[in-house]
Amino acid sequence: QQQVKQSPQSLIVQKGGISIINCAYENTAFDYFPWYQQFPGKGPALLIAIRPDVSEKKEGRFTISFNKSAKQFSLHIMDSQPGDSATYFCAASIASGTYKYIFGTGTRLKVLA
Amino acid sequence: NAGVTQTPKFRVLKTGQSMTLLCAQDMNHEYMYWYRQDPGMGLRLIHYSVGEGTTAKGEVPDGYNVSRLKKQNFLLGLESAAPSQTSVYFCASSYTTGTVAYEQYFGPGTRLTVT
Repeated sequence: QQQVKQSPQSLIVQKGGISIINCAYENTAFDYFPWYQQFPGKGPALLIAIRPDVSEKKEGRFTISFNKSAKQFSLHIMDSQPGDSATYFCAASIASGTYKYIFGTGTRLKVLA
Repeated sequence: NAGVTQTPKFRVLKTGQSMTLLCAQDMNHEYMYWYRQDPGMGLRLIHYSVGEGTTAKGEVPDGYNVSRLKKQNFLLGLESAAPSQTSVYFCASSYTTGTVAYEQYFGPGTRLTVT
C-alpha cells in the first residue's frame, strides 16, 4: 500500500521530442505528488508538484497529469533538451500527516542531441 | 544561504568501524530527513525528525542512529558499519505551516563505501 511504482526505468528521447514518465500508487490517503530531478553527483531537486484537486499542472515545458480514479500520475517533458538528461523520481506523501515521502525507483532520461 | 550541507562528501570505512554523517541547514526548517539511495531502489527513508530533540524511524532504520540536538543539525550514525550500508546518503529538510509540510530540500550527498 505504501509503494509508488515508476516506469520506465530508463528512457531515450530525441531532442525536441516528448518524454513521458509514469507513476502509480495504491494508498488513497496520499495527497501530495512531487517530481524530483537529479543530475549525476547532485542531490534531488523539486521540479514540479501537484495536489489531487487538479488534474493537470504545467510549468514551462514540464507538465504533471493526474488521474485520481486510476491512482496514476505522469510527468511530460515537452520539447526535450539534452540538458534535461537526468534521473527523475516521482514521490507521494500525506502532506498533513507523516510528512514522509514514498519515492518511486527513478527513471534515467537521456535526450540525444 | 548555503541551504542543506553534508559532511563528509566521501568516506571509505572498514567493516565494523563507526562514523557520523553531519547534515546542517540554514533555512530554519523544522523537519529533517536522512535517506539512502541505491541503484534501482530510489530513495529510502532511514530516520526523520519533526523538531529539535525528536526523531523517528523511517523505512530502513536498522543499523543507524540519529540525533537532533540543535534545530539546524541532524546527525546520522553508523555504530558498526557493514558492506550492505555502502550507499549514497542524502539529507533533506522541509518547512511547515503547522500541520502541512512542504517541499523537501536535499543536500549534495555523502558517498559511503564499506569494505
